[in-house]
Amino acid sequence: QLQLQESGPGLVKPSETLSLTCTVSNGSITSYTHFWDWIRQPPGKGLEWIGTIYYTGKTFYNPSLQSRVTLSVDTSTNQFSLKLRSVTAADTAVYYCTRRDYDPNYGMDVWGQGTTVTVSS
Amino acid sequence: DIQMTQSPSSLSASVGDRVTITCRASQGIRNDLGWYQQKPGKAPKRLIYAASSLQSGVPSRFSGSGSGTEFTLTISSLQPEDFATYYCLQHNSYPLTFGQGTKVEIK
Repeated sequence: QLQLQESGPGLVKPSETLSLTCTVSNGSITSYTHFWDWIRQPPGKGLEWIGTIYYTGKTFYNPSLQSRVTLSVDTSTNQFSLKLRSVTAADTAVYYCTRRDYDPNYGMDVWGQGTTVTVSS
Repeated sequence: DIQMTQSPSSLSASVGDRVTITCRASQGIRNDLGWYQQKPGKAPKRLIYAASSLQSGVPSRFSGSGSGTEFTLTISSLQPEDFATYYCLQHNSYPLTFGQGTKVEIK
């Protein structure tokens, strides 16, 4: 069964860059039939889609974050990554990586456990 | 952007009750919608995909319906383990958007 695991610093200073990596296990990130997404959830709030990457490197971003976000993929290590620049306290959240089917009917079937990132000096 | 309006934001119900949660899309999304259950401190778990297809392993008391702009998640007989927050998610077009969530609490 494919598994996803987020990793990265749990504490980031304001104005710096948040960097997270998602490792894909028991499956391949080069799947033709899947996208790889990042989702976040501020404390006590709902879910927000950050962006998507395909194994070719094609990306789609949430317009609300587009100016600060970069997603990348490393097929040699079976990982994909998130960078969020110029963070503020509003970026404090649990960050999830997910797998989503290429067919828009199906959505996200696998989620990582999530990693908490706090933005604070 | 497609806005997903989910209602109610919270509800109190008893074990055995029938529960209905609704999501309305600001424009048609065919049946490109999923329902997710989230328990405290855990990642969301998919219950329904393609608006009405039950995820493997999910109890049959969960069902989804709808197409276009109106969607419903129904729990036919609420069980203790169903107390959680539920979200709809449209994956018809970018940006993907979630409903605001419905917290199902014990009455």
